Parts: sequence; C-alpha cells; structure tokens
Amino acid sequence: GDSVTQMEGPVTLSEEAFLTINCTYTATGYPSLFWYVQYPGEGLQLLLKATKADDKGSNKGFEATYRKETTSFHLEKGSVQVSDSAVYFCALRPLYGNKLVFGAGTILRVKS
Amino acid sequence: NAGVTQTPKFQVLKTGQSMTLQCAQDMNHEYMSWYRQDPGMGLRLIHYSVGAGITDQGEVPNGYNVSRSTTEDFPLRLLSAAPSQTSVYFCASSYLGGGDTQYFGPGTRLTVL
Repeated sequence: GDSVTQMEGPVTLSEEAFLTINCTYTATGYPSLFWYVQYPGEGLQLLLKATKADDKGSNKGFEATYRKETTSFHLEKGSVQVSDSAVYFCALRPLYGNKLVFGAGTILRVKS
Repeated sequence: NAGVTQTPKFQVLKTGQSMTLQCAQDMNHEYMSWYRQDPGMGLRLIHYSVGAGITDQGEVPNGYNVSRSTTEDFPLRLLSAAPSQTSVYFCASSYLGGGDTQYFGPGTRLTVL
C-alpha cells in the first residue's frame, strides 16, 4: 500500500542554519505530495504542495521538489528561525480519492 | 468564516464511557475525515465521508462510529472508550478533487483512564 517515510527527529538547529528534512514515498501512479506543519498546541496547516513530477512547492522560505525518479519530496529552508520550531509532516494523496497518508512527523527545534 | 471547528478541546473519560467528538465546517466542503495522532505514528485515518449520507472506514476504524446527516457536521462517536483510544483527534475537510488542500481543526485531546 501507499506509505510515507520521514527522517526521524528531533532535529535541532541554530538560528540561520540550513534545514533539510527528508521524505520518501511509495505509491502507485502519480500522487500529490504535501508538507504540513503543526505548531505547539495547534492543528495542522498546509505548508506547501506539489501535484506532479518536477513541480516545486514553496511557502514562507520553505521549498520542496517532487522527484518522481527518486520518489522523494525533501523539505528545505535556507535559514531557519526560532519561530520555525514545530512538527513537520510529509503526506501524499493518491491519484484517486481524498485520503491523506502521513509520515510519522519530524520535530524541529531551532535555538537562538 | 470559522473554518473547521472541533469540540471539546480536552476530554477525560473512564474506560467504558461513551462520548461524541464534534466537528463542523462552514466551507461547504464535500469531503470530511477524522484522524488520530499518536507519537511516532503520524496521523492515521479513522473514518471519512464524501458527502451527506455517505461514510466509509479508514485505516483504524475499530471502536469508532460516524454519521454525516448534513454537509457541515461530521461527529465521531466512541461507544465504549478504551485506554488505547487515548490520543489527539483531528477533523479535516476539503472539496473533492485532485490535489486540493485539506483544512484541519485544532484537535481534541482525549485521555481514557
């Protein structure tokens, strides 16, 4: 079945450091791919998405590129801030239907 | 436009008690779903609905019931709570269609003693 694998956390970085959170997926066909962010005590918010191969999603300085050949959707940010501390979830939506399949989540802690 | 709302925010139950988690959305979304979030396991789909009167099971449906009598509301019922149902529950909604964003509620933190 469809699945998403994320790098385990927590990831601890200093402010202004470069961030990469790895995400790979297994799915048939061409799923849509998402990164959601959960700030402490809140629900999930969509951070960015990509719906076809080679698409790049971007938002708030975060970027991720849909790589069909490596079945990956790694999240990157050039310079993290303390306010980026949160849990990040990679997810896929199969070609048909609305169900989301989530990875386990990666905790990011940014220190000043 | 309130988005997706959930009540209550926190709940403590004793084993065997029943309760209903409420979820409502005001965006006229056809699709609604319930997830549970457990440490190290991400979010897992419990039940979902593609419209009023239509519901289906997700990945972990046992112990939960749902109904969808209106487009706006999608309550989740625990008939006989068990400690294994201690979790954070999220409701989400979206339009039907390819690649569309799902909007999540703020969650309900449930503890079963």
